Amino acid sequence: QSALTQPASVSGSPGQSITISCTGTSSDVGGYNYVSWYQQHPGKAPKLMIYDVSKRPSGVSNRFSGSKSGNTASLTISGLQAEDEADYYCSSYTSSSTSHYVFGTGTKVTVL
Amino acid sequence: EVQLVQSGAEVKKPGATVKISCKVSGYTFTDYYMHWVQQAPGKGLEWMGLVDPEDGETIYAEKFQGRVTITADTSTDTAYMELSSLRSEDTAVYYCATVSRGTTYLDYWGQGTLVTVSS
Repeated sequence: QSALTQPASVSGSPGQSITISCTGTSSDVGGYNYVSWYQQHPGKAPKLMIYDVSKRPSGVSNRFSGSKSGNTASLTISGLQAEDEADYYCSSYTSSSTSHYVFGTGTKVTVL
Repeated sequence: EVQLVQSGAEVKKPGATVKISCKVSGYTFTDYYMHWVQQAPGKGLEWMGLVDPEDGETIYAEKFQGRVTITADTSTDTAYMELSSLRSEDTAVYYCATVSRGTTYLDYWGQGTLVTVSS
């Protein structure tokens, strides 16, 4: 099971919007509405930001939103803030015989 | 408040076995599956496997099959991940994380345990 493909880095200025893509296959992203997104600051555990493609857990800012089209899911951060600078990982349930879940390659978000 | 508290950092020699614990509080242990995730230094997240604390059933990623054993002790609300035949590539931070029944996302995470494999 190969990792889902994400851009290595995305950057934006404070107040701008950025979008991170996450490309998989019909066995994972495209086959299920079970995509989730995690934010990870250096030295910290990942934090759930989006689940089931577009739902936000309680306490997560509405500046974070998710969507999916075909085999590609996306995370959009609007009104970019300094505290959003972190690594972001997508994840999906997969029907692969070699794994149950698959993560993305990770994207470093830099706030300029 | 849900908390997952993992055991401390470990240093192991190649070929050895490491066992990491993850003690939970703030929820009913058997209401959530417990997953384990590996993160090598400077690298991404990799799913290792899960245990259902209710009946002990496990599912492992093929990459770790045969070397990993994930268990759950309902008497102490603690999950364990044991990795054997350690090699340098196993140097990583290991996280436990919960998934509520009927869902697929990792909602609560432990703080991580660094395992260093070095001769």
